[in-house]
Amino acid sequence: DVKVTQSSRYLVKRTGEKVFLECVQDMDHENMFWYRQDPGLGLRLIYFSYDVKMKEKGDIPEGYSVSREKKERFSLILESASTNQTSMYLCAGTWRGGRGYTFGSGTRLTVV
Amino acid sequence: AQSVTQPDIHITVSEGASLELRCNYSYGATPYLFWYVQSPGQGLQLLLKYFSGDTLVQGIKGFEAEFKRSQSSFNLRKPSVHWSDAAEYFCAVNTGFQKLVFGTGTRLLVSP
Repeated sequence: DVKVTQSSRYLVKRTGEKVFLECVQDMDHENMFWYRQDPGLGLRLIYFSYDVKMKEKGDIPEGYSVSREKKERFSLILESASTNQTSMYLCAGTWRGGRGYTFGSGTRLTVV
Repeated sequence: AQSVTQPDIHITVSEGASLELRCNYSYGATPYLFWYVQSPGQGLQLLLKYFSGDTLVQGIKGFEAEFKRSQSSFNLRKPSVHWSDAAEYFCAVNTGFQKLVFGTGTRLLVSP
């Protein structure tokens, strides 16, 4: 299975800060995704990427951007963090043509 | 638009009793369907998945799910629940480009 690693489990940032959430997978191909998880809303797709320097908007891209300079690394960027971006963020990688997904353990971000 | 509905926000089951968690999806093509489990503070773990073939699929931890195309359903079942099954359960459908759309989740509580 693909292994997906998120560099931080917990982050506390101040309003207006630029925040980087990092995600690395141990295969150099296939798609990568960023989801946001909130109680009662399930997981919602923010952005995804199917190749280096390629990105596609998901369902809730506002306030976020992404970067994929290398196939194994997919970064989520909050240009100016706001309190409504306090949430759990989950990264995922897919393999075997979308038949296998692996999620990272998540980053719980608190914006104060 | 594609969607997944999990009508039960919370379910309480006695330990040893049977369990069924409901999932309905809206998707025009043949779906790839998934069930994930999330324990508190943890990432998502894949329980089982359906792509094609036998409509009854077996997963880990004694779970199974049945795909019913006529009802657009993919309900998760377990014959005898253990206290360690208490967690949140998410149903998801692959909507193309390997994107997953998730339901809002069902929280399972297990009473002694």
